[in-house]
Amino acid sequence: AQKITQTQPGMFVQEKEAVTLDCTYDTSDPSYGLFWYKQPSSGEMIFLIYQGSYDQQNATEGRYSLNFQKARKSANLVISASQLGDSAMYFCAMNNLGTDKLIFGTGTRLQVFP
Amino acid sequence: NAGVMQNPRHLVRRRGQEARLRCSPMKGHSHVYWYRQLPEEGLKFMVYLQKENIIDESGMPKERFSAEFPKEGPSILRIQQVVRGDSAAYFCASSPKGLAGAGEQYFGPGTRLTVT
Repeated sequence: AQKITQTQPGMFVQEKEAVTLDCTYDTSDPSYGLFWYKQPSSGEMIFLIYQGSYDQQNATEGRYSLNFQKARKSANLVISASQLGDSAMYFCAMNNLGTDKLIFGTGTRLQVFP
Repeated sequence: NAGVMQNPRHLVRRRGQEARLRCSPMKGHSHVYWYRQLPEEGLKFMVYLQKENIIDESGMPKERFSAEFPKEGPSILRIQQVVRGDSAAYFCASSPKGLAGAGEQYFGPGTRLTVT
């Protein structure tokens, strides 16, 4: 069965610093996708970044990058130059290619302070 | 291009009433997914639909819950005889095709159901 584990319930980071949010996954399928979503206090789910299991390079989207370590089954999100608006819940998710449901972790609450 | 629309945004129901949650996918998207988020938890998959077909309902409770995505109109998640444990945020997501082959699901703003 697929599983996503986020071991950090909460993280603090100072504005303009970088922060890493941890995510490990478990699957027996060689083909899968990994996703990160941001959920601000307003409640909507905002897609941030995607990594396919066969992608050779780590995904990047602006200030977001995904540190994909396949052998360790980890897909950590790195946010560079944190901003106050980055304060939110962050969810890691995965799917096995061939199925369409996303499996979510329990989330990490990030707080950025001035 | 409007995003995924969900209504109502907030819904209050008394125990035993019915709740109807609506989701209009993004234009051109024919795949709809429903997820439930209990307080302080991650999202849990409920059901995946394409037009007029339920593709995967492995996350749906066996009783009281049903979903449809008709040929015309929005997708509907229906909860009959609601109980307090149904209080949650219900999210709809859509994609232009199945996730197989990558890409993201676009989420709506969610419907927050409160059962009193």
